[in-house]
Amino acid sequence: AQTVTQSQPEMSVQEAETVTLSCTYDTSENNYYLFWYKQPPSRQMILVIRQEAYKQQNATENRFSVNFQKAAKSFSLKISDSQLGDTAMYFCAFMKHRYGGATNKLIFGTGTLLAVQP
Amino acid sequence: GAGVSQTPSNKVTEKGKYVELRCDPISGHTALYWYRQSLGQGPEFLIYFQGTGAADDSGLPNDRFFAVRPEGSVSTLKIQRTERGDSAVYLCASRPGLAGGHNEQFFGPGTRLTVL
Repeated sequence: AQTVTQSQPEMSVQEAETVTLSCTYDTSENNYYLFWYKQPPSRQMILVIRQEAYKQQNATENRFSVNFQKAAKSFSLKISDSQLGDTAMYFCAFMKHRYGGATNKLIFGTGTLLAVQP
Repeated sequence: GAGVSQTPSNKVTEKGKYVELRCDPISGHTALYWYRQSLGQGPEFLIYFQGTGAADDSGLPNDRFFAVRPEGSVSTLKIQRTERGDSAVYLCASRPGLAGGHNEQFFGPGTRLTVL
């Protein structure tokens, strides 16, 4: 079974600075996807960034980037130029890579609460 | 366009009662998921629909939980004889089609269920 571990329950960063959130996972699969989701107090899960395991290049989305280390099964999220609106819970998630009618369910970690301080 | 909507936003019930939670997916999305998020935890998979049928219900914790999607759009999660341990946020997500995992799952705002 796959597991996702986020070892930082809470993090704090000053506005405009950079912060890195950690995530490790365990799987015997070779093809999979990894995600970072943001969950503000509104409870709505919002996709921040996605990484396909077969791609060596790290994904980037504006101020968000990942450090994907497949051999180490590590998938950290870097947020640059932190903004007050980045304050939220951040969840790392794993999905097997399947086509057709496969479930493709997400397996989440326990989350990291990020507070951006003014 | 409209995103995934869930009603009610909050539901308070008494132990032993029956509850129904509703999910309206994005129009045209054939895949629909229910997840449960307990306090301080990440969401956990409950059930997956492809069209009208429950293709994977392996995450349902016991037979008190049941979900339907009779016309392939709106889904209802039903919980019988609620217990205090059922208190959680119930999230619904939808995605288009049968294509691979790169199809993003779009989440609704969830229903917070409190069982007294």
